[in-house]
Amino acid sequence: SQQGEEDPQALSIQEGENATMNCSYKTSINNLQWYRQNSGRGLVHLILIRSNEREKHSGRLRVTLDTSKKSSSLLITASRAADTASYFCATVPGAQKLVFGQGTRLTINP
Amino acid sequence: DVKVTQSSRYLVKRTGEKVFLECVQDMDHENMFWYRQDPGLGLRLIYFSYDVKMKEKGDIPEGYSVSREKKERFSLILESASTNQTSMYLCASSLWTGVSGREQYFGPGTRLTVT
Repeated sequence: SQQGEEDPQALSIQEGENATMNCSYKTSINNLQWYRQNSGRGLVHLILIRSNEREKHSGRLRVTLDTSKKSSSLLITASRAADTASYFCATVPGAQKLVFGQGTRLTINP
Repeated sequence: DVKVTQSSRYLVKRTGEKVFLECVQDMDHENMFWYRQDPGLGLRLIYFSYDVKMKEKGDIPEGYSVSREKKERFSLILESASTNQTSMYLCASSLWTGVSGREQYFGPGTRLTVT
């Protein structure tokens, strides 16, 4: 079952600009995670935000979580060509499983 | 660093063949997962295991089985491969932490084509 839904499905920006991706989900969660996938490869964990947190930073990444709206956003600042990838949010409704959205495909143009 | 390896990057099999996909992790993680990834459908959980010899069905277990005889190894078995099982298969592992899931570490994926 798909819970997280990313928006937009695709995003193309110029190098140096900021990229914002959004994720909406349906049920209550323990935490929400963001992953990156380079073309044809496995996923890499970026950041985890717990349900009692509102904002978290990691390098050029900033994640916010609004549990009242059941939504999260991922901001990548000062984008680089190497940030070109697909980005997925994953929710943890309970137990050990993750439920992934369909992803946002981000393209950084030089 | 956690390392999750998968036995093959690319695999081509014929309809009706029995297919084994192997996954090994080296960080003593309790949980292991098998997903398939298809365009427009995202990642869907096939099976997962939270301990040796334990398994639970995910969202799409039909046509698949799994085996976990050792903590570090989790195998996905396609009993009789069909063309609709052509997909990218991703293995992942994580620590067990009670009710709240931890980050998962993924292998590089196996792109399976069934002809």
